[in-house]
Amino acid sequence: DSGVTQTPKHLITATGQRVTLRCSPRSGDLSVYWYQQSLDQGLQFLIQYYNGEERAKGNILERFSAQQFPDLHSELNLSSLELGDSALYFCASSVDGSAPTTDTQYFGPGTRLTVL
Amino acid sequence: DAKTTQPTSMDCAEGRAANLPCNHSTISGNEYVYWYRQIHSQGPQYIIHGLKNNETNEMASLIITEDRKSSTLILPHATLRDTAVYYCIVRVSGPFQGAQKLVFGQGTRLTINP
Repeated sequence: DSGVTQTPKHLITATGQRVTLRCSPRSGDLSVYWYQQSLDQGLQFLIQYYNGEERAKGNILERFSAQQFPDLHSELNLSSLELGDSALYFCASSVDGSAPTTDTQYFGPGTRLTVL
Repeated sequence: DAKTTQPTSMDCAEGRAANLPCNHSTISGNEYVYWYRQIHSQGPQYIIHGLKNNETNEMASLIITEDRKSSTLILPHATLRDTAVYYCIVRVSGPFQGAQKLVFGQGTRLTINP
């Protein structure tokens, strides 16, 4: 158990809908990262937040957005869902980015999104 | 971040040491080698990381060659539960060195056989 929690575990929805995935980082961690894992693309970085502010963006679609709240939990919002958005979505957290011992990322169990 | 090359798959007998190689010939001086594994569709699990010295923890040992162009992850006594995809990742670490994303390749699918 990494200490990172994600809800829900599974989500089934229809095309065109909007969903919200939630992540609670390990206690004390300030950075949160979101990754997407689909069958054809592998694990891909989406976005990183540090202490409430966006720090880095990867291949995140404009239909997707994220935020990190004052209590440091994060939400990933996916809208206008398409069949191709079906994937595993992982959240990871790290203490911060100031040293090699504190920016190691620990991953949550993921949310499996199925778009029908 | 430097690119890594790993074998697509490997087999190992239960109880034996599993040695997983990784080539990272373009690694820079400030880039670390990280290893993660993913068991089935679970979240990737951090294993170990190092810069240039060999590292050991309760899960594994990491051997980095002197020129740092390759490394080997060693699972000393593999069990069936070690069956997973193992990812070798090279990235800069420390004071907000740009994006701190992890770039996952295809990894090595390690199968531990009874």
